[in-house]
Amino acid sequence: DTEVTQTPKHLVMGMTNKKSLKCEQHMGHRAMYWYKQKAKKPPELMFVYSYEKLSINESVPSRFSPECPNSSLLNLHLHALQPEDSALYLCASSQEADFKGFAYEQYFGPGTRLTVT
Amino acid sequence: AQSVTQPDIHITVSEGASLELRCNYSYGATPYLFWYVQSPGQGLQLLLKYFSGDTLVQGIKGFEAEFKRSQSSFNLRKPSVHWSDAAEYFCAVGGGGGNKLTFGTGTQLKVEL
Repeated sequence: DTEVTQTPKHLVMGMTNKKSLKCEQHMGHRAMYWYKQKAKKPPELMFVYSYEKLSINESVPSRFSPECPNSSLLNLHLHALQPEDSALYLCASSQEADFKGFAYEQYFGPGTRLTVT
Repeated sequence: AQSVTQPDIHITVSEGASLELRCNYSYGATPYLFWYVQSPGQGLQLLLKYFSGDTLVQGIKGFEAEFKRSQSSFNLRKPSVHWSDAAEYFCAVGGGGGNKLTFGTGTQLKVEL
């Protein structure tokens, strides 16, 4: 089973709201990722977690706060977002996140379509 | 720094025709190459990957890709396209620290019935 699940599928929030996106995988993967994807563009990496520790933050604004409660779960907490943050947010996982140049294939979830009003 | 170029933004083919999507990469060492497909509003699905070995790799849904080191290319092919293949296709190179993927800008495939 190569499934990554994400909830909710759609989310509409105001600029003063606090909400969370959730991601789950049961493949025993030890690396998980958050991406942001705008329309007609490739995904942009936001965060990488390796063995439940944040290993890469691609200079993401602090209004996005990731959390990895355990090896199967990844959350993205949202607060005081801007309309330009409206996008498809994708979660992915891989067996590992190597830092010596090797690559592992990443498996993506279906995404959460976020609209900030 | 690694980079990926997908020269074709849009491609239209007739159902049943053959397909080739182009991908060129820039990478210092032996690259780890991927093709992903994304249907509208969906996540990315891995079609195939190349790490080493046989330069012709087979993937899911009848797709294949050929790695050509001399041309720095990893083109995706399918002998007979189905209407359900209409989607966005992304080529990506991996191996960056933290398993980072560098994506191309994507090719939008339209299939005419």
